[in-house]
Amino acid sequence: DAGITQSPRHKVTETGTPVTLRCHQTENHRYMYWYRQDPGHGLRLIHYSYGVKDTDKGEVSDGYSVSRSKTEDFLLTLESATSSQTSVYFCAISPRTRETQYFGPGTRLLVL
Amino acid sequence: AQTVTQSQPEMSVQEAETVTLSCTYDTSESDYYLFWYKQPPSRQMILVIRQEAYKQQNATENRFSVNFQKAAKSFSLKISDSQLGDAAMYFCAYRRRGGSQGNLIFGKGTKLSVKP
Repeated sequence: DAGITQSPRHKVTETGTPVTLRCHQTENHRYMYWYRQDPGHGLRLIHYSYGVKDTDKGEVSDGYSVSRSKTEDFLLTLESATSSQTSVYFCAISPRTRETQYFGPGTRLLVL
Repeated sequence: AQTVTQSQPEMSVQEAETVTLSCTYDTSESDYYLFWYKQPPSRQMILVIRQEAYKQQNATENRFSVNFQKAAKSFSLKISDSQLGDAAMYFCAYRRRGGSQGNLIFGKGTKLSVKP
């Protein structure tokens, strides 16, 4: 199994508060991704990173920001959480774009 | 834009029997990858099988095989000798070859139940 961890695994927060989710990998892979999973939508890309300090937006990036200061860590921040951001968040990694992506265990976020 | 469609929201199979999950996709690219991921109740996303579009031979992994029809843009998953542990959500996914992004485009999933 790819060495990917996500923290926290579960979080309950209130509308308007900032939230940061962390993805940590031990594989030294270049590419890291954040997806969200919602019923009826499958998984959708929020942001991705193609190297340290190199990030770009995905399909559903509004309301989210990311940072990658080290190869192993990719942070997803909700600056001011809203109820529409209640979801399960998955991190994924791959060494190259043509390689298979491997997923972390997910973070379940509930915004009240 | 690429899209992936899974037309069967739910499927059911008897233990030890065979089931086929459907997936179609839309793309103007000629070179790409297709995947099936399994998501059990634990929510972990597990790679089941991968197909490279330039390979005509259908991929196989033990009891899992695909029927890849490039011209029809169809990519179905066949599970043989179904087991109780196969019960899960199954997602079909597409990724174009090349480019700087490499993200996956997912279908909405098929929930597979396995009856003892």
